[in-house]
Amino acid sequence: SQQGEEDPQALSIQEGENATMNCSYKTSINNLQWYRQNSGRGLVHLILIRSNEREKHSGRLRVTLDTSKKSSSLLITASRAADTASYFCATDLYGSARQLTFGSGTQLTVLP
Amino acid sequence: ETGVTQSPTHLIKTRGQQVTLRCSSQSGHNTVSWYQQALGQGPQFIFQYYREEENGRGNFPPRFSGLQFPNYSSELNVNALELDDSALYLCASSSEGTGVWNEQYFGPGTRLTVT
Repeated sequence: SQQGEEDPQALSIQEGENATMNCSYKTSINNLQWYRQNSGRGLVHLILIRSNEREKHSGRLRVTLDTSKKSSSLLITASRAADTASYFCATDLYGSARQLTFGSGTQLTVLP
Repeated sequence: ETGVTQSPTHLIKTRGQQVTLRCSSQSGHNTVSWYQQALGQGPQFIFQYYREEENGRGNFPPRFSGLQFPNYSSELNVNALELDDSALYLCASSSEGTGVWNEQYFGPGTRLTVT
């Protein structure tokens, strides 16, 4: 079953614009992670935000977490064509054996 | 590159056959998790191995089984292959048991096609 659901399913923007992707989940979590996947290859870890954190930055990435709304957002600023990929949020459920539960992803296309 | 390797890269098997996929974890990591990713979907958790013991299992039938070796590398075995087993199989390694939640680092995956 899908714990996290990303929105939108697909997003197409011009190079230089910002891209925002959202993730909603259903139950209490330990932390939430964002991953990138290029064209059916392995997942690249982008950022982890813990349940007691509200915002985190890494380079051009900004992640927010609102545990009261059970939602997170990933902002990519000044996007580049190389950012074209699928982006997944993954939740680490409270009390679980470190099982990551993924949403179905947002397909981001950055047009040059 | 994460340091997690998987073999083989691609595999084609026939329905009813058995398959073994392999994963070498990143240096210093003691835990391996396996995920199945169908086309257009997010990865689904199969199971996790911590210090050679199964430490959690997702909603997969018993014909999906695994092993972890003393060097923390791991195998995923699937018996009686079905067409729906066609997917990208991903393994992820992490360092658990320290009381700190750490990231899971994924390998490049094995693309399995069942015909």
